[in-house]
Amino acid sequence: RKEVEQDPGPFNVPEGATVAFNCTYSNSASQSFFWYRQDCRKEPKLLMSVYSSGNEDGRFTAQLNRASQYISLLIRDSKLSDSATYLCVVKVPRNDKIIFGKGTRLHILP
Amino acid sequence: GAVVSQHPSWVICKSGTSVKIECRSLDFQATTMFWYRQFPKQSLMLMATSNEGSKATYEQGVEKDKFLINHASLTLSTLTVTSAHPEDSSFYICSARDLRTSGVETQYFGPGTRLLVL
Repeated sequence: RKEVEQDPGPFNVPEGATVAFNCTYSNSASQSFFWYRQDCRKEPKLLMSVYSSGNEDGRFTAQLNRASQYISLLIRDSKLSDSATYLCVVKVPRNDKIIFGKGTRLHILP
Repeated sequence: GAVVSQHPSWVICKSGTSVKIECRSLDFQATTMFWYRQFPKQSLMLMATSNEGSKATYEQGVEKDKFLINHASLTLSTLTVTSAHPEDSSFYICSARDLRTSGVETQYFGPGTRLLVL
């Protein structure tokens, strides 16, 4: 089983819709979780950290389910500018290593 | 916010050439920098962890003699791809941890270097 798994997509979603991604991780001792956004041919940029109690930042909501070992990202009222690849990132206890998922591609359609 | 720069942003070279990529933290000090490689439609793969003043720690499967890493100061790490071949063509990204925010789980990424080996 891969350490971090994501549905690669692409998700083609009309503008204004709500879209959700999940990400599963294999190491139950994983400590920290993040969502990064990567635009085509650019470096990843931190979108938000994911906290145990769940957290929201504007149109973005992140959830963590430790029992089932997955995290989720919900985007409400999607904008054209949300089109990107969303990377699930998990910090594992081993050497404080950060593991990236392959990413989920999102296309917002006008 | 913290800024990490990389130079060059892209490079095209002939097979057999060595290519050096620089990663600099511009407004903070970083004892630890990371080098990643990303092939098209793939995830970022950690190649090595670069520690200032000591030898880099390489991930399994990454040849340390081919990918030379030097972290001579708290603001600069370099990755040299020695005797590059077409299969080394990739997007190389560095990241750095800000010493001041070591308790915050954030890495700042450089803009990446696109390497094309002909």
